[in-house]
Amino acid sequence: DVKVTQSSRYLVKRTGEKVFLECVQDMDHENMFWYRQDPGLGLRLIYFSYDVKMKEKGDIPEGYSVSREKKERFSLILESASTNQTSMYLCASSLLVGGNTGELFFGEGSRLTVL
Amino acid sequence: AQKVTQAQTEISVVEKEDVTLDCVYETRDTTYYLFWYKQPPSGELVFLIRRNSFDEQNEISGRYSWNFQKSTSSFNFTITASQVVDSAVYFCALSTGSYNTDKLIFGTGTRLQVFP
Repeated sequence: DVKVTQSSRYLVKRTGEKVFLECVQDMDHENMFWYRQDPGLGLRLIYFSYDVKMKEKGDIPEGYSVSREKKERFSLILESASTNQTSMYLCASSLLVGGNTGELFFGEGSRLTVL
Repeated sequence: AQKVTQAQTEISVVEKEDVTLDCVYETRDTTYYLFWYKQPPSGELVFLIRRNSFDEQNEISGRYSWNFQKSTSSFNFTITASQVVDSAVYFCALSTGSYNTDKLIFGTGTRLQVFP
């Protein structure tokens, strides 16, 4: 089975702290994604990566950065956490299948609270 | 602009009732993909179906069926004889299938509660 593992299910941080959210997938997928999920807003794409050391901005990249040093690991970084970044963060991965869109495999999510 | 609208925020049914979750999408692309995902209380979204824009055939998988109508830009999802285990948040999503990306645009989700 495809497994996408997010390092922390629940985190509580203080405003201004640097926050790392880690995601690891074990199926050799090329594509990896970070979404945030908020009530009434659905899932919004923050960043994605389709190869090692490659990254592209999604729809809401402000206040976030990412790192992909290895194929299986995709990290989301909040340089200086703010209260409006309190949210559920979802990591996903997918296999590149020709030029077609494949299905995404999601982790269980990391619920971040910024005080 | 690309957009997915799920107008139903929350639906409650009693077990064995049929229920339809609506999804309306907007895109100017002629090639696109539509998806449904299920998010149970555990939080992990699970892929249910993918449909490409050239295939308007309805699909049935057990108690699940999907109705894709390009004329109304809709991709509705019906659960027949609902069960308590169907309780979840369901997301409809759209992708224009740009090469090398699986960027999905999600709707806001519909929370389905099935009561025994």
